[in-house]
Amino acid sequence: DAMVIQNPRYQVTQFGKPVTLSCSQTLNHNVMYWYQQKSSQAPKLLFHYYDKDFNNEADTPDNFQSRRPNTSFCFLDIRSPGLGDAAMYLCATSRGAGENTEAFFGQGTRLTVV
Amino acid sequence: AQKITQTQPGMFVQEKEAVTLDCTYDTSDPSYGLFWYKQPSSGEMIFLIYQGSYDQQNATEGRYSLNFQKARKSANLVISASQLGDSAMYFCAMRETGAGGTSYGKLTFGQGTILTVHP
Repeated sequence: DAMVIQNPRYQVTQFGKPVTLSCSQTLNHNVMYWYQQKSSQAPKLLFHYYDKDFNNEADTPDNFQSRRPNTSFCFLDIRSPGLGDAAMYLCATSRGAGENTEAFFGQGTRLTVV
Repeated sequence: AQKITQTQPGMFVQEKEAVTLDCTYDTSDPSYGLFWYKQPSSGEMIFLIYQGSYDQQNATEGRYSLNFQKARKSANLVISASQLGDSAMYFCAMRETGAGGTSYGKLTFGQGTILTVHP
């Protein structure tokens, strides 16, 4: 059974039209991450939540926002998608953030901007 | 500075042969973890194996083993008896403790190696 679920798997949005990607988890993990992965590149961390504490990466554009209304759900909001935001978006969770904690990933949402 | 370096953009291996995927890392944190993930074309990241910085023995998980050389800061993945289903992108990743710094808990990935297994 899937433990980290991302919806939708594929999302097409128009240039400049706000879009929300969702992630849910059944693991009760306190840490949730959003990564952006462009074609043939390494996943790049956008931000993460440690419980309710939000941690934004310094180079994450303001165009990207996130919400975590409860332990199970986390959303990625792209306020005005540009063509350069087309990518795979990966959600991950972990129990704590110690050096030995494994991150569990969802199947990703592939975003296309037209 | 790059924290995780995978110098092999692509690797080819014959089915049933062993293959080594290289990974070097850079950290001043004495406590860290090293992970390998497999990413098939479907996109999901699949955890393969973990090595802690204080682990005395190399990690093994089935056909996967990690050749950990701490002094050289390398953590190469060895896949034995390759199968066609092993064809995928492989990522090496590191998590540092950061002790309250900005790297705390952050899982940083290398650029990846595309492995192709030939029949």
